[in-house]
Amino acid sequence: QEQLVESGGGVVQPGKSLTLSCAASGFMFSDYAVHWVRQAPDKGLEWLAFMSYDGNSKIYADSVKGRFTISRDMPTNRLYLQMDGLRPEDTALYYCARVMAGSLRGAFDVWGRGTLVTVSS
Amino acid sequence: EIVMTQPPATLSVSPGERVTLSCRASQSVGINLAWYQQKRGQTPRLLIYGASIRATGIPARFSGSGSGTEFSLTITSLQSEDFAVYYCQQYNGWPPMNTFGQGTKLEFK
Repeated sequence: QEQLVESGGGVVQPGKSLTLSCAASGFMFSDYAVHWVRQAPDKGLEWLAFMSYDGNSKIYADSVKGRFTISRDMPTNRLYLQMDGLRPEDTALYYCARVMAGSLRGAFDVWGRGTLVTVSS
Repeated sequence: EIVMTQPPATLSVSPGERVTLSCRASQSVGINLAWYQQKRGQTPRLLIYGASIRATGIPARFSGSGSGTEFSLTITSLQSEDFAVYYCQQYNGWPPMNTFGQGTKLEFK
């Protein structure tokens, strides 16, 4: 079964850092581009970051550029999101998502269930 | 950044109705457009990609159309399980700086 499972969320003070992890299973992780998406409480989806299947290309939303860093570790089939300088407005459920097979870019066909990040003093 | 607009925010509809949801891009995205369904407390589910291609397992009552800056998702004969929030997403460019629309919620009339 193709699956993504996020972890690493929690309560963190403003200005602090947190690293989220996304574990992939049931498919060849190194063949797929991946993204991070978040959803604030009772709000819509906000795309955050992209990394190509080989890790050579990445891009960020303006709202997190310079504060968040996407990375992936092929041997362990994991995707990461390092979040620095966290702000209260970063409070959200964070999803990792996989791009459809055969696409360098494209729609997201597999999503994790999300990990909740709360930024509060 | 490409801005995706989905008016209206909420649409009141009845089961059995045909409903068309709109999505507009601030600049052309070709057919690099997807639609997702999200029910309360659940993960988004891919419905349509490439503007008009149904994803695996998606019922035929869902169809997508459009290109460039104007897109639509049509649900014929709305079922009770279709009441949810629908998001459009563009994934144009390289690297793809994706953006989502703000969503349209289908509620019971």
